[in-house]
Amino acid sequence: NAGVMQNPRHLVRRRGQEARLRCSPMKGHSHVYWYRQLPEEGLKFMVYLQKENIIDESGMPKERFSAEFPKEGPSILRIQQVVRGDSAAYFCASSPSDEQFFGPGTRLTVL
Amino acid sequence: QQQVKQSPQSLIVQKGGISIINCAYENTAFDYFPWYQQFPGKGPALLIAIRPDVSEKKEGRFTISFNKSAKQFSLHIMDSQPGDSATYFCAGGSTLGRLYFGRGTQLTVWP
Repeated sequence: NAGVMQNPRHLVRRRGQEARLRCSPMKGHSHVYWYRQLPEEGLKFMVYLQKENIIDESGMPKERFSAEFPKEGPSILRIQQVVRGDSAAYFCASSPSDEQFFGPGTRLTVL
Repeated sequence: QQQVKQSPQSLIVQKGGISIINCAYENTAFDYFPWYQQFPGKGPALLIAIRPDVSEKKEGRFTISFNKSAKQFSLHIMDSQPGDSATYFCAGGSTLGRLYFGRGTQLTVWP
C-alpha cells in the first residue's frame, strides 16, 4: 500500500503566479487534511476535505487560497497570486478515521 | 492562542539515555494525542498515539504517559540512539478533525 503522495516536491513561483499542489491519499482513505509548516515551527492546519466536500476550512486564508478533493483524482491546494509570505512546506495527510498519515510535502518558494 | 504547548525546544541526550518531551493542552474536548517524528526534508511520521482513557501506552522504546487531570502528556524514548535524532511534534485533536501541533522539539542523541 503506497503512502501519501504529493507533487511536485519542490515548486518555485514568482510573485503573482499561481501555485497548484497535488495530494493523492493512501488507498482506502477518504479524509484529506492540508497543513502548512514554516521553518522552525510546527504544522498549522489549513483545510479538511472528504470526497467532493470541504468539511473544515477554518485554517485557510479567505483570499487566494482554495482546496478541492474531487470524486476522481487527487486533492488540489491552489494558491493564486502568490506572495513571498506563502513560501513554506505544505503537507497533506490522509486518514481512514483518526490516524493521520503525512506525505513528503511540497516545498514552495516564491521569488 | 497555542492550543498545545511543547517543551523543551531542543534536547541533547547521550546514547543509551532517556529522552523526555512534554506537552500540555488546553481543550478538554481533545480525545486523540499523537506524536510525530520528522527528519529534515521529510514529512512527519506517526510514532505513537494515545486516547484519554488510558494513562500509558508503550510501543517498543517509545512510551506515552498521559495525565488527564493535569492536561499533560509526555513522550519517553528509552535507550536513545543517534538514529533517533530528529524533530518530534506532539499534537491534540478530536477524531476525524484537525490536529493542533506543538512547536516541536529538536532531539540530538550523541554517540
